[in-house]
Amino acid sequence: SQQGEEDPQALSIQEGENATMNCSYKTSINNLQWYRQNSGRGLVHLILIRSNEREKHSGRLRVTLDTSKKSSSLLITASRAADTASYFCAGPKGGSQGNLIFGKGTKLSVKP
Amino acid sequence: GAVVSQHPSWVICKSGTSVKIECRSLDFQATTMFWYRQFPKQSLMLMATSNEGSKATYEQGVEKDKFLINHASLTLSTLTVTSAHPEDSSFYICSARSLGGEETQYFGPGTRLLVL
Repeated sequence: SQQGEEDPQALSIQEGENATMNCSYKTSINNLQWYRQNSGRGLVHLILIRSNEREKHSGRLRVTLDTSKKSSSLLITASRAADTASYFCAGPKGGSQGNLIFGKGTKLSVKP
Repeated sequence: GAVVSQHPSWVICKSGTSVKIECRSLDFQATTMFWYRQFPKQSLMLMATSNEGSKATYEQGVEKDKFLINHASLTLSTLTVTSAHPEDSSFYICSARSLGGEETQYFGPGTRLLVL
């Protein structure tokens, strides 16, 4: 079963615009992680946000977490063509540390 | 940052043969490694969790005799697809979690398997 569901499934924007992706999850978690995957490649860890955190920043990335709504968002500011990739949220299976369960991902396309 | 490698990066084999995929943590010790498979335009599906020195834990629906996992050291786990069939063609990705037990998993670049 999936822990995370991303929304939208696909997003196309112009370079310089901001991109927002959302993730909803089912069971209680102690952390949620966001990953990026370029086509046909492995996953790159972007950011981990813990259940006691509401917002976290890393460069042009901003992640929020609302545990009451069981949702998280990833904001990429001032997007670049190189940001074109699929973005996944992942939560621990069964709410505990260890196995990650991934959502279907949001495919982001940034046009130059 | 932590680096995980996979070998080979891609492999083509005939139906009925076995294929071994290696996953190595290059600059850290991994007590736990995970194996995922990903079909085109799909999400990652966890296949099994591998702990060093013990038997792997397989997810429901994953045949343990079909997908043999060995985690002989803190830096190496192998996945062997036995008697591969065309339906086993997929993108296999491993990840590793460090000895300190941090939540972050570091992923390998993936291995693309094509069974003819």
